[in-house]
Amino acid sequence: GIQVEQSPPDLILQEGANSTLRCNFSDSVNNLQWFHQNPWGQLINLFYIPSGTKQNGRLSATTVATERYSLLYISSSQTTDSGVYFCAVRTGNQFYFGTGTSLTVIP
Amino acid sequence: EAGVTQSPTHLIKTRGQQATLRCSPISGHTSVYWYQQALGLGLQFLLWYDEGEERNRGNFPPRFSGRQFPNYSSELNVNALELEDSALYLCASSLDSFSYNEQFFGPGTRLTVL
Repeated sequence: GIQVEQSPPDLILQEGANSTLRCNFSDSVNNLQWFHQNPWGQLINLFYIPSGTKQNGRLSATTVATERYSLLYISSSQTTDSGVYFCAVRTGNQFYFGTGTSLTVIP
Repeated sequence: EAGVTQSPTHLIKTRGQQATLRCSPISGHTSVYWYQQALGLGLQFLLWYDEGEERNRGNFPPRFSGRQFPNYSSELNVNALELEDSALYLCASSLDSFSYNEQFFGPGTRLTVL
């Protein structure tokens, strides 16, 4: 199956700092989503982004499908941004989640 | 608009028993997906139902099964529970089964097998 790797695995930031999370996938995909998992396990939709660039407030994402990667940008981070960020892809009729990036934002 | 709902929130079973988990999709969504998030194993795709049919399954044994009802709600059954089945089970729904479709997740059911 397809490999979906995220980097870095762990990230600690001071409040107000910016960060870039990366998602690499080993084969072509039909779609790609970014999620934020809160401490209670709920997956919050951030972006549905099979290709191109999208922005939503302090967050933005870019997917370059031909080069098999996606980037999630978090600007002016806040403590509420803490949690685990996942990318997830669909290829054919299979669905794969990335390994996740655990983000801790310190006040 | 109500999101994806799951029940129960927590479930405690003993090894060898059966567990039934339930999911109601967002109104208008016809596809339902099940995922397992076990400690140390990440999120893994379990099952996909659309229009009452099983469309695909992940790399899980046959004792993981489920169904989708005419109202598009779904249940996941896990037979002959093993200790390693302890995990957070997440359900998602999407508008339909086409390739370009966004999934929305429920809050999950945390299953503990003793």
